[in-house]
Amino acid sequence: QQQVKQSPQSLIVQKGGISIINCAYENTAFDYFPWYQQFPGKGPALLIAIRPDVSEKKEGRFTISFNKSAKQFSLHIMDSQPGDSATYFCAASMRSGGGADGLTFGKGTHLIIQP
Amino acid sequence: GAGVSQSPSNKVTEKGKDVELRCDPISGHTALYWYRQRLGQGLEFLIYFQGNSAPDKSGLPSDRFSAERTGESVSTLTIQRTQQEDSAVYLCASSRNSRGVTGELFFGEGSRLTVL
Repeated sequence: QQQVKQSPQSLIVQKGGISIINCAYENTAFDYFPWYQQFPGKGPALLIAIRPDVSEKKEGRFTISFNKSAKQFSLHIMDSQPGDSATYFCAASMRSGGGADGLTFGKGTHLIIQP
Repeated sequence: GAGVSQSPSNKVTEKGKDVELRCDPISGHTALYWYRQRLGQGLEFLIYFQGNSAPDKSGLPSDRFSAERTGESVSTLTIQRTQQEDSAVYLCASSRNSRGVTGELFFGEGSRLTVL
């Protein structure tokens, strides 16, 4: 079964610090790596995504770093704010297996930013 | 509305009863997913519909669970003879998938099911 392993399970960061969440995958056919953000009582929403032809993608304070050879990717949140407190899910999918078989979620990271 | 709509938002039922959860996807989205999320846990895939293709039911945990979708519109998830372990938030998502390429998933706010 295809897996995406996410760590840590929970993370506490001081306001203004850098939050880092890591994910690792096994299937080299994966070619799309999104991150979803979920606030309590809400459904997850797409935050940022990357394809393996680039090693980094930045959108505001959020950056995805991608290491194709190590089959790892990570989310960095710079200048973390209390409003960033949420659960973050990494995911991976592949074109040839579009749909449920092609999309695999990590187990999530519960991030708390302390004021 | 413009987003994925789910109903009911909350459902409390007694063990052994049947429940039906509804999902209205975004218009034009060919793909529809159901996920289960237990308290503080990740997203557990249940079932996937893509257009008029046969659904991928590989995530359904038992034969008490079933889902239907009419064309590219509303979907219903039915849980028969509910058990306490079915208590969770059931999330629906839709996507504008095409030709096997998974697009962005748009999630509803979920239906919170509590089985007493």
